Amino acid sequence: NAGVTQTPKFQVLKTGQSMTLQCAQDMNHNSMYWYRQDPGMGLRLIYYSASEGTTDKGEVPNGYNVSRLNKREFSLRLESAAPSQTSVYFCASSLSSYNSPLHFGNGTRLTVT
Amino acid sequence: GQQVMQIPQYQHVQEGEDFTTYCNSSTTLSNIQWYKQRPGGHPVFLIQLVKSGEVKKQKRLTFQFGEAKKNSSLHITATQTTDVGTYFCAGLRGSTLGRLYFGRGTQLTVWP
Repeated sequence: NAGVTQTPKFQVLKTGQSMTLQCAQDMNHNSMYWYRQDPGMGLRLIYYSASEGTTDKGEVPNGYNVSRLNKREFSLRLESAAPSQTSVYFCASSLSSYNSPLHFGNGTRLTVT
Repeated sequence: GQQVMQIPQYQHVQEGEDFTTYCNSSTTLSNIQWYKQRPGGHPVFLIQLVKSGEVKKQKRLTFQFGEAKKNSSLHITATQTTDVGTYFCAGLRGSTLGRLYFGRGTQLTVWP
């Protein structure tokens, strides 16, 4: 079982460029999440999808969009990257959006110059 | 502002010493989860506490959830070098994981 797979692992963008981070899970989980992790800040939720067909904003949604493509895949898009979006991005999934542990992918390290 | 406070931010101990990290919330939590992240890795789920006053043990790790469900702690007895990493609590304020708030983590260093 691969679990939660994120691509790419590393990315460097210039200010204003766009990109999409991909995430897929093979655990038949219903809920998926995108977090960002900055030094000393813990993990902050960007967007989540409680179930296929739904998406909701988290703590820090500005500058991002998401798509729940199907039950397995949940992508995160940066339309116009800014240096403040330099971070490590983690995708996670859970069986349900209630009282379930989160399973994280290996992360994407994004640098915006 | 920070929804869930976690202290200390850093802890350096010698192998064999004990370690404790604490989490506090200003409001009642539905549950609290704990995660461990090894250097360069991703967070890995350790445990979930749901009931007021709950205590759970995993070998040398003891997890507690306060009576008022506003605070929690993780205690490691006789640390080992394999315990190195950052420990995060995550408190659920509401019913869905969209309201799961992570503390900033405690980075544990263990000297051999």
